[in-house]
Amino acid sequence: EVQLVQSGAEVKKPGESLKISCKASGYTFTNYWIGWVRQMPGKGLEWMGIVNPRDSDTRYSPSLEGQVTVSADKSITTAYLQWSSLKASDSGMYYCERQRDGGIIDSWGQGTLVTVSS
Amino acid sequence: DIVMTQSPDSLAVSLGERATINCKSSQSVLYSSNNKNYLGWYQQKPGQPPKLLISWASTRESGVPDRFSGSGSGTDFTLTISSLQAEDVAVYYCHQYYNNPRTFGQGTKVEIK
Repeated sequence: EVQLVQSGAEVKKPGESLKISCKASGYTFTNYWIGWVRQMPGKGLEWMGIVNPRDSDTRYSPSLEGQVTVSADKSITTAYLQWSSLKASDSGMYYCERQRDGGIIDSWGQGTLVTVSS
Repeated sequence: DIVMTQSPDSLAVSLGERATINCKSSQSVLYSSNNKNYLGWYQQKPGQPPKLLISWASTRESGVPDRFSGSGSGTDFTLTISSLQAEDVAVYYCHQYYNNPRTFGQGTKVEIK
């Protein structure tokens, strides 16, 4: 069974850095791109970016490129999303996701709630 | 970016009645070399991550009830719930995976009338 288990909720101050994680199991980690989708409170889904765990190739949404970093460590089958300097507008729910052949997102993590407030 | 526009934003349907959600893409998501539409549908219930219902515009995922069906091609797509059940109350999203950045519709909230 495919499982994506994310790290717990975070409360941070503006300007702080953050790295959240997504531990994958139940499949061959290096065979599937893995990425992140954000959902602001009461809003819809926004695709952020993906990483190929085999070679660390990445793709980003142009609106977010440079603001976040997506990465993966195949030795521990874990993907990451990180910020170097958080803003209040980064507050929201973040889901990791797996893309199967063809690119459809077929599995999701349970979500990590990030709150950025002074 | 491909813009995905859903209609309506919300709808209320009686139990056992049909619910229809439309999704329009700003450009075709039909890949001519394999004749596949790179369009999926997701269901999201409160406090849960989305769940994949349909891929390739019309292929139902394993375990998804057959009252859910998808249709359409090119730029116009439809998700139909043939006989609405109480457990179908949720927000539904269409999603294109034709190119990057992947994009979603704004969501359609389905409620019981």
